[in-house]
Amino acid sequence: GQQVMQIPQYQHVQEGEDFTTYCNSSTTLSNIQWYKQRPGGHPVFLIQLVKSGEVKKQKRLTFQFGEAKKNSSLHITATQTTDVGTYFCFNAGNNRKLIWGLGTSLAVNP
Amino acid sequence: EAQVTQNPRYLITVTGKKLTVTCSQNMNHEYMSWYRQDPGLGLRQIYYSMNVEVTDKGDVPEGYKVSRKEKRNFPLILESPSPNQTSLYFCASMLRATFNQPQHFGDGTRLSIL
Repeated sequence: GQQVMQIPQYQHVQEGEDFTTYCNSSTTLSNIQWYKQRPGGHPVFLIQLVKSGEVKKQKRLTFQFGEAKKNSSLHITATQTTDVGTYFCFNAGNNRKLIWGLGTSLAVNP
Repeated sequence: EAQVTQNPRYLITVTGKKLTVTCSQNMNHEYMSWYRQDPGLGLRQIYYSMNVEVTDKGDVPEGYKVSRKEKRNFPLILESPSPNQTSLYFCASMLRATFNQPQHFGDGTRLSIL
């Protein structure tokens, strides 16, 4: 069935370093959403990508949707301690089957 | 303030004692959903509702019931809880079930079944 693989599972960085998480699908995705969950918190919507090759920026965060719409990435430039949390990708696949990536947990050393 | 409210936030109970986790949203959203989140397994959908009186099973519905008598409320019922239902539960809502909009999550309910 349709799956989304998210890598890496964990990432530990020094404050100021960059961070990237990737979401890869074996099939074409209609869209992709990214969510952030702080420790002890709930998932919070960050952004949605719909178009092939789309790139969107939110301050230090850059989101990309692949040309083939099979992969996506979230890149954080110069991480801060406020970036700590788990980042999830999400797609409502064919027949509205919900597909969540397992998340990438980011830890930032001050 | 637009929000999804879940209660209780924490609950420790015993096997077999029926419990209900309430969920309410004030955004007039049509779509509501329950998830459980377990380490290494991510978010898994339990049940969802496209609108009032319309509910359907998600990926892991066994042992759970839901109802949607009013648009704003979507309670999750565990009629005979078992230890394997110990988990972190989230209620979520979305304007419509088109999945090109954000899902809004409650703060979560941490449930421990002894």
